[in-house]
Amino acid sequence: NAGVMQNPRHLVRRRGQEARLRCSPMKGHSHVYWYRQLPEEGLKFMVYLQKENIIDESGMPKERFSAEFPKEGPSILRIQQVVRGDSAAYFCASSPLETYGYTFGSGTRLTVV
Amino acid sequence: AQSVTQLDSQVPVFEEAPVELRCNYSSSVSVYLFWYVQYPNQGLQLLLKYLSGSTLVKGINGFEAEFNKSQTSFHLRKPSVHISDTAEYFCAVRDTGNQFYFGTGTSLTVIP
Repeated sequence: NAGVMQNPRHLVRRRGQEARLRCSPMKGHSHVYWYRQLPEEGLKFMVYLQKENIIDESGMPKERFSAEFPKEGPSILRIQQVVRGDSAAYFCASSPLETYGYTFGSGTRLTVV
Repeated sequence: AQSVTQLDSQVPVFEEAPVELRCNYSSSVSVYLFWYVQYPNQGLQLLLKYLSGSTLVKGINGFEAEFNKSQTSFHLRKPSVHISDTAEYFCAVRDTGNQFYFGTGTSLTVIP
């Protein structure tokens, strides 16, 4: 039973490019969460999705960031026109319908140069 | 919104010594409490969680934590640390919603 799979593990983008981060939840998990970890900081909530629905995006920056969790395929966190301040580790977590703990992926480390 | 405070950003401790990592949270309403460990360049792994019942919770790798509602604390302890315990430890709180609130982390360094 594979855990939460995130890819790529490392991603380097030049300023102005787009970054796409993928997350495949654990089998049977229908809830996906994205968190961002900035250097020297804890994890900050970004968005919570269920299949084809955004449930809570209160932590998402208003511009350039979007997320989706289609009926088929992984969840995607998309960052358009990246800037240096977007450099961070982005973690995805998943949970089944009713639970009290997440399972985290290993993260994608985005570096904007 | 909840806030989680981890009072110590760095904790050095000698091998086989006991350790306590402190965590306080802001709200006294019903919450669920968690400790996660993050090894270098890896994701977060659940150490233990408190949902209800006994206030002393035992987790993996010999760690335990005690929920203290009056002090809104959930400190993590281990009686004897190993070199392999060197990692970043995060306390997290979840209220009745689906969102977790994380502390800023405590870097535990075990000294041989």
